[in-house]
Amino acid sequence: DTEVTQTPKHLVMGMTNKKSLKCEQHMGHRAMYWYKQKAKKPPELMFVYSYEKLSINESVPSRFSPECPNSSLLNLHLHALQPEDSALYLCASRRLSGRAGNTGELFFGEGSRLTVL
Amino acid sequence: GNSVTQMEGPVTLSEEAFLTINCTYTATGYPSLFWYVQYPGEGLQLLLKATKADDKGSNKGFEATYRKETTSFHLEKGSVQVSDSAVYFCALSDSEAGNQFYFGTGTSLTVIP
Repeated sequence: DTEVTQTPKHLVMGMTNKKSLKCEQHMGHRAMYWYKQKAKKPPELMFVYSYEKLSINESVPSRFSPECPNSSLLNLHLHALQPEDSALYLCASRRLSGRAGNTGELFFGEGSRLTVL
Repeated sequence: GNSVTQMEGPVTLSEEAFLTINCTYTATGYPSLFWYVQYPGEGLQLLLKATKADDKGSNKGFEATYRKETTSFHLEKGSVQVSDSAVYFCALSDSEAGNQFYFGTGTSLTVIP
C-alpha cells in the first residue's frame, strides 16, 4: 500500500463555514505535510508534523488549523476562509530515517480542490 | 541557503522530439534531488530521484544525472509522447534542512501530435 488518500476531492464552502480536509496513509511514514498549490505553481508548504508533533508552521493564518490525531491521519480544519484561499490542498508523507540527514522522497495524495465563495 | 532554479516554461514539443528541462540547485548540506510530475487535476508523483553525486535516476524513459560539479539535475527524454504533457517540478531535500523540501517553479510541457 503506497497511497496517500485525501478526502474530499472537491469542497465548496462559504466564508462563514467550518469544514475539514482529511489525509490518511498506511505506509508507516512518520512525517506528514500540508501544502497549498495554486494553478501551475509549485506547492507552498503550510505545516509539517514529525512523529505526530507540529515541527514546521510556515506562518499560516489561524483560519487554517492542522491536527495529527495519530501516525496515519492528518487533518486540516478550515474556518472563516477567504476567496483567495481557493486552491488545491495537497497532503504528503515521508519516511523518517531515524538518523540525521533524512533525504527520502515525499509521497503525495491527489489533493482536495477547495473553492471559497 | 537551499534553492532550486528551474527552466521557465511553457515548453511545446512535437511528438518524438527530444526533451531537456534544466534544473540547478544550491544546498548547504548533502542534498537528494528529485523530479516530480503533475498531470492535470492530479497530485504530484515522483518521477525519479538521485541521492548522491553522479547517480542517475531514470523512469519511464526519463533520465537525470546528479552533477555536483555543475550543481545540476537536468531532466531528459529522448522521444516524448502526448501522454508526457504535464507540469514537471525539480525538488531538493537537504540533509541539513530537516523535513524541508525545496521545489522549483515548475515547467509546463505540452506535446502535440
